[in-house]
Order: sequence, then C-alpha cells, then structure tokens
Amino acid sequence: SSELTQDPAVSVALGQTVRITCQGDSLRSYYASWYQQKPGQAPVLVIYGKNNRPSGIPDRFSGSSSGNTASLTITGAQAEDEADYYCYSRDSSGNHVVFGGGTKLTVL
Amino acid sequence: QVQLVQSGAEVKKPGASVNVSCKASGYTFTGYYMHWVRQAPGQGLEWMGWINPNSGGTNYAQKFQGRVTMTRDTSISTAYMELSRLRSDDTAVYYCARDVDTAMENWGQGTLVTVSS
Repeated sequence: SSELTQDPAVSVALGQTVRITCQGDSLRSYYASWYQQKPGQAPVLVIYGKNNRPSGIPDRFSGSSSGNTASLTITGAQAEDEADYYCYSRDSSGNHVVFGGGTKLTVL
Repeated sequence: QVQLVQSGAEVKKPGASVNVSCKASGYTFTGYYMHWVRQAPGQGLEWMGWINPNSGGTNYAQKFQGRVTMTRDTSISTAYMELSRLRSDDTAVYYCARDVDTAMENWGQGTLVTVSS
C-alpha cells in the first residue's frame, strides 16, 4: 500500500468543479505534484510546488494543501480531463519518493 | 524542446536481466536528476529510483535494492536502468522522467518489458 492515499474513483458533471485529494503524513512537510495519465499514454505533470502549472496546462487545474492533505482542483471539468490522476511526494522518511495509488476521474 | 526517447520493447525469460535506455535531448543532461518509474498492466505508478547524471549517484526504492542498477553515459546524454533476476510480476511499462523542482516534468514514451517463459 502507498504512503499517499487517494480515492480510487471520482466523478464530475461536465463543466462542474471537482477536487481530487491525496493524504499522507509527509504532506505536512513536502508539497505534492500531480500527474494526469490517459490510457496508453505517459503521465503528464499538471501541478507542482505550492500551485504551479507547467507551460501548456490549462488554468482550470490548481493545487492546494492543508495539513496532511494535498488537493488537485479542476474548475469547469472538460471531457478531455477524464483520466487517471496521481499525486507524488516524498515518503515519510523524506529520503525516497512515492506515488499515490491514483484516482480515476470520470466526466459525466 | 526537451525529449526523452527510450529503447524498444523487450521480452525476457524469468531470471534474466533487462537494460532500458533513455536518451535525453533539448537540455543539459547533467543538470537534472533522472527518475525511473514503472507501471504494471492495469496498475498505478511505482517509483524505482533516481540517478544524478552529474555525479552518477543513485537512490533506489527499497523494494528494488539489490536488483536495480541505474547508470548514465554523459557523452551521449543517455541514462540506463538495468533490472536483474526478472520475475513475471516485473512485466510493466518502464518510464524515465526528468526531475525539475522535485517534480517529474518530462517523461519518456515508455518501454514495455514482458517477462514470460
């Protein structure tokens, strides 16, 4: 089991807002980054650091953190946002890194 | 633009070793750590370790200690990941990914390694 815990599945109506969460003790000390993965494709970084988006990532993606929980929010979800989302951060020792188990997002 | 191009698919027998390469272009190879991540069929992402291309220093996930070796050749901007004593549950897509500000900003296209007798 991962040291970062994500809900296995989340759904959102088209155009609505959805929050995907990631819980872990290490998140009290380290930021999470978030990755989007569509079937048959390599993951894509969507959020890193406090709330930074790489070039080309739409501004409907945002990140936040509170206590032991990091969140990825998609404001106005689009059909193309349907994908698996993974959080990533240091583990509790701080020496290694770890991915969350992933959340499958369905856009209805 | 940054590109990470990985070697092609491999089929190996149990007990064998596999070596996957990742050729980098579009940036200073020695300036950024390189991670290796794998994904078994239908499963999530699993971090295997990283290499510092500048020093050659490595940091492996405990699960792979003793079975994985990450190396690099700075003259051709290429990182390598060798996994030994392969088992059927090592069947996965293996990715290299460039670390920027503690995030994996760029990814290779993935290399499918199939372990089967």
